[in-house]
Amino acid sequence: LAKTTQPISMDSYEGQEVNITCSHNNIATNDYITWYQQFPSQGPRFIIQGYKTKVTNEVASLFIPADRKSSTLSLPRVSLSDTAVYYCLVYSGGYQKVTFGTGTKLQVIP
Amino acid sequence: EAGVTQSPTHLIKTRGQQATLRCSPISGHTSVYWYQQALGLGLQFLLWYDEGEERNRGNFPPRFSGRQFPNYSSELNVNALELEDSALYLCASSRSGVGNEQFFGPGTRLTVL
Repeated sequence: LAKTTQPISMDSYEGQEVNITCSHNNIATNDYITWYQQFPSQGPRFIIQGYKTKVTNEVASLFIPADRKSSTLSLPRVSLSDTAVYYCLVYSGGYQKVTFGTGTKLQVIP
Repeated sequence: EAGVTQSPTHLIKTRGQQATLRCSPISGHTSVYWYQQALGLGLQFLLWYDEGEERNRGNFPPRFSGRQFPNYSSELNVNALELEDSALYLCASSRSGVGNEQFFGPGTRLTVL
């Protein structure tokens, strides 16, 4: 199983770019990397998903190096409403267990 | 398009009782996932159903069980409740297949007294 590791928490000022890195040393060839955002007392919400190199959407970018043992979620110009917990998710080995990371609590400061 | 719905919103039980939680996936989704999130902790994978069958389960005791119905809705049953079962139980659905985006419901808050 691909275990994931993220920083427990991060602080950032409004308007700054935030990069959150997730380590997944045992990622398998067919695994996808997905990031979710969760606000208190709500279910997580999909942010972005990728397999290799770089993926960008209207919300974030996801950078995955060639060895795929880590990935970085990049949030451009964060605002107070981006304060949330961010989870890195790796789909392990086809139809095996879905593993969430420990989550990174991002606090955006005015 | 209606999202994932879960019922009840809150559930209070006492130790030793049984709890039943329900989930209705988004129309067209055949996969349903169950997660447990204890207060202040991350999401722990519980169960995955697809096309009516249990595909995998997390590291939870057998008293956590469930099923998926022909209309793809799902039930999570927790028998012999223990205090540490108190948590937010989240259900998610997705299209069948690996790597598809999971859409989460609002959760059921289970409190065991």
